[in-house]
Amino acid sequence: GESVGLHLPTLSVQEGDNSIINCAYSNSASDYFIWYKQESGKGPQFIIDIRSNMDKRQGQRVTVLLNKTVKHLSLQIAATQPGDSAVYFCAENRNRDDKIIFGKGTRLHILP
Amino acid sequence: DVKVTQSSRYLVKRTGEKVFLECVQDMDHENMFWYRQDPGLGLRLIYFSYDVKMKEKGDIPEGYSVSREKKERFSLILESASTNQTSMYLCASSLRNAETQYFGPGTRLLVL
Repeated sequence: GESVGLHLPTLSVQEGDNSIINCAYSNSASDYFIWYKQESGKGPQFIIDIRSNMDKRQGQRVTVLLNKTVKHLSLQIAATQPGDSAVYFCAENRNRDDKIIFGKGTRLHILP
Repeated sequence: DVKVTQSSRYLVKRTGEKVFLECVQDMDHENMFWYRQDPGLGLRLIYFSYDVKMKEKGDIPEGYSVSREKKERFSLILESASTNQTSMYLCASSLRNAETQYFGPGTRLLVL
């Protein structure tokens, strides 16, 4: 398969355990945040988003937490499965230029 | 579901050739984007478009041009391909500014 990022931080998690992927953002004025999943050889896929007026949002097996005080975003995946193996990106909307800025990503590796 | 399609999954071209990468979205989105993705560098914005016939330079426009003649279609053009343009090219679209971007499957381009 293709390598999305050779120098990405890697998180290894036992199948069935919960995964927590962290992201620090830079701009305190950012008001919209997104998590993407990218499997090998594919384009990034939207997982979940959150606006700055919330601190938690839940989806199916995923939860995003936003801590504006320390500018930190996390993605929690419950009961991690082999199909969760991918690179996960956070993205933020920096109001000043109205663009979405993507982080470098974290590779999630599932242990059998 | 949003669908973003790209004309080719893999392309092999020779140095100096003109290369066209096509992207089509079927959700009547206003905005379309072209990124390239390289190991260790993450997603880098090449060009984007907020409307038909409009284009804006992203962070790395040199060596590229774009065309948006119809709302659903956004083309990336490499006028004279070079080996340093070997990369994964990703197209995305969003409904409005700074909203979630939805990605196509990517085109892996190899320039020899």
